[in-house]
Amino acid sequence: AQKVTQAQTEISVVEKEDVTLDCVYETRDTTYYLFWYKQPPSGELVFLIRRNSFDEQNEISGRYSWNFQKSTSSFNFTITASQVVDSAVYFCALSVYNFNKFYFGSGTKLNVKP
Amino acid sequence: KAGVTQTPRYLIKTRGQQVTLSCSPISGHRSVSWYQQTPGQGLQFLFEYFSETQRNKGNFPGRFSGRQFSNSRSEMNVSTLELGDSALYLCASSSTGTATGELFFGEGSRLTVL
Repeated sequence: AQKVTQAQTEISVVEKEDVTLDCVYETRDTTYYLFWYKQPPSGELVFLIRRNSFDEQNEISGRYSWNFQKSTSSFNFTITASQVVDSAVYFCALSVYNFNKFYFGSGTKLNVKP
Repeated sequence: KAGVTQTPRYLIKTRGQQVTLSCSPISGHRSVSWYQQTPGQGLQFLFEYFSETQRNKGNFPGRFSGRQFSNSRSEMNVSTLELGDSALYLCASSSTGTATGELFFGEGSRLTVL
């Protein structure tokens, strides 16, 4: 069975603080993809990153960075020097190649206060 | 490049009625997938259509159905509405499909069942 767990329901930080959003996944398949999406108040989810199971390289994109560790089945997301515009709900997601389905975590609501 | 368009954005129905939601994907995208988002269950995959064929279906009753037209536009239908069907329904399009592709989401259709 496939599952994504985001244990942090809500996080509040003050602007310019660094914050890490945790994501733990479960799958028995060897070929899978991991994603992070951002959902601002307007509702539509915005794609942030995709990682396949064969690529454990960490990635940095501006203030965003992702740490993928297969040994712990985790795909954590760090925002450096957070800004008020980062306030949103962030979803981690898993797709398994053979099943054409998407499994979302429950989301982490990030509040960045000025 | 126009994004994913969902109509209507908001609608109110009563129990027992049926509803049809529409999704126009990004031009050139052949995959359209649908998701239900509720506070209690989070984001759940409903189904995916690719080139007019349903490729996979989530764990929802048969009251939830969909179709895709030759121009890739998709509709989702919910019959015999129940109070628990109140949710934000999101549609996403992709050029390669749900499992591997980056998903582009619409802003959703918010359904309230009274």
